[in-house]
Amino acid sequence: GESVGLHLPTLSVQEGDNSIINCAYSNSASDYFIWYKQESGKGPQFIIDIRSNMDKRQGQRVTVLLNKTVKHLSLQIAATQPGDSAVYFCAEKDGSEKLVFGKGTKLTVNP
Amino acid sequence: DVKVTQSSRYLVKRTGEKVFLECVQDMDHENMFWYRQDPGLGLRLIYFSYDVKMKEKGDIPEGYSVSREKKERFSLILESASTNQTSMYLCASSLVNTEAFFGQGTRLTVV
Repeated sequence: GESVGLHLPTLSVQEGDNSIINCAYSNSASDYFIWYKQESGKGPQFIIDIRSNMDKRQGQRVTVLLNKTVKHLSLQIAATQPGDSAVYFCAEKDGSEKLVFGKGTKLTVNP
Repeated sequence: DVKVTQSSRYLVKRTGEKVFLECVQDMDHENMFWYRQDPGLGLRLIYFSYDVKMKEKGDIPEGYSVSREKKERFSLILESASTNQTSMYLCASSLVNTEAFFGQGTRLTVV
């Protein structure tokens, strides 16, 4: 039969608030994690990455947290702006070069 | 800046046609990837290549093949296009164990 698309998780925040986007992964062998942002009509863009020997990494307005014990990754965006509205994906590698993506979270920033 | 170029933004093909999607990168990256993206399903890996003439199946290789005769070029081939292959196709490239850079995508419609 025809496959039905799943509903995309969504997050709606007010401009200026902090946003937290979560991602669970299942492969305990994964050792490299990446967050991507995808705006409508464009390919995904790299935001920030983290390797498994770290539990936190900061960029400009973004922080990635990695909890290997519970296989959880989060992306924190400080002072969220309308331009941050997009779909956010986490991706992982397990030591091979195979890059696997999660299903994404749609972030909407309300003015 | 890394540039990943996909040959077409939009394509319309007939059922049963052989379809070639072309991707070129200009940064001498070892790895190249093909994904398809469908609403609510995220990015699913079709094939990737870690060197010239080398390829590995991703999660959904059925109905597709790939070719990498030169380092900068990675082609996705639909041997006999079907309507369930209507999708957004994304190409990416990366150095070993680093983030991948994406093209703008090709929206393929099979009628």
